[in-house]
Amino acid sequence: GNSVTQMEGPVTLSEEAFLTINCTYTATGYPSLFWYVQYPGEGLQLLLKATKADDKGSNKGFEATYRKETTSFHLEKGSVQVSDSAVYFCALYIRGYQKVTFGIGTKLQVIP
Amino acid sequence: NAGVTQTPKFQVLKTGQSMTLQCAQDMNHNSMYWYRQDPGMGLRLIYYSASEGTTDKGEVPNGYNVSRLNKREFSLRLESAAPSQTSVYFCASSEAQGYTNTEAFFGQGTRLTVV
Repeated sequence: GNSVTQMEGPVTLSEEAFLTINCTYTATGYPSLFWYVQYPGEGLQLLLKATKADDKGSNKGFEATYRKETTSFHLEKGSVQVSDSAVYFCALYIRGYQKVTFGIGTKLQVIP
Repeated sequence: NAGVTQTPKFQVLKTGQSMTLQCAQDMNHNSMYWYRQDPGMGLRLIYYSASEGTTDKGEVPNGYNVSRLNKREFSLRLESAAPSQTSVYFCASSEAQGYTNTEAFFGQGTRLTVV
């Protein structure tokens, strides 16, 4: 079946530190990959996406590259801010399955 | 710019009571979903509707029913609430099947407590 694996966290970083949140996937077919972010008390919102191998998604200083050879889509940011504190979900969508599969979410805490 | 609207935002039920969570989207999306979010479990799909008039079970459908009332609205019903259904419920919608880069748009969530 299709699945997404990411660490639950929490990941605690100081402001301006480098962030990596790992995401690997298992999929039958060729998925589109997403990172969603959930701020406290809110629903999920799309952060970035990539639809084919070697694509790089980017938004708000965050980046992730679709690596087919390692079935990975790791999220990175060069310098985190307190306002980046949130839960980050990796997800995949495969054409024909009609639904998005989510990882368990990684909580990020950024301290001043 | 309403997007996906869920009601209510908070609800407390007694065991055995019933209730319906409402969801509406104004983006003309074909597909709609209900998820529950629990600590350590991530988001789990309860039911989804790929198009108006169709519904299908997700990973955790037991104890729930859904109705796709029209293209805009997709409701989730708990017929006899149990403490195990205490959770945060999210409704989402997305573009039609066949789009390889579809993304889901989420509502703000309903925090349900069953005592």
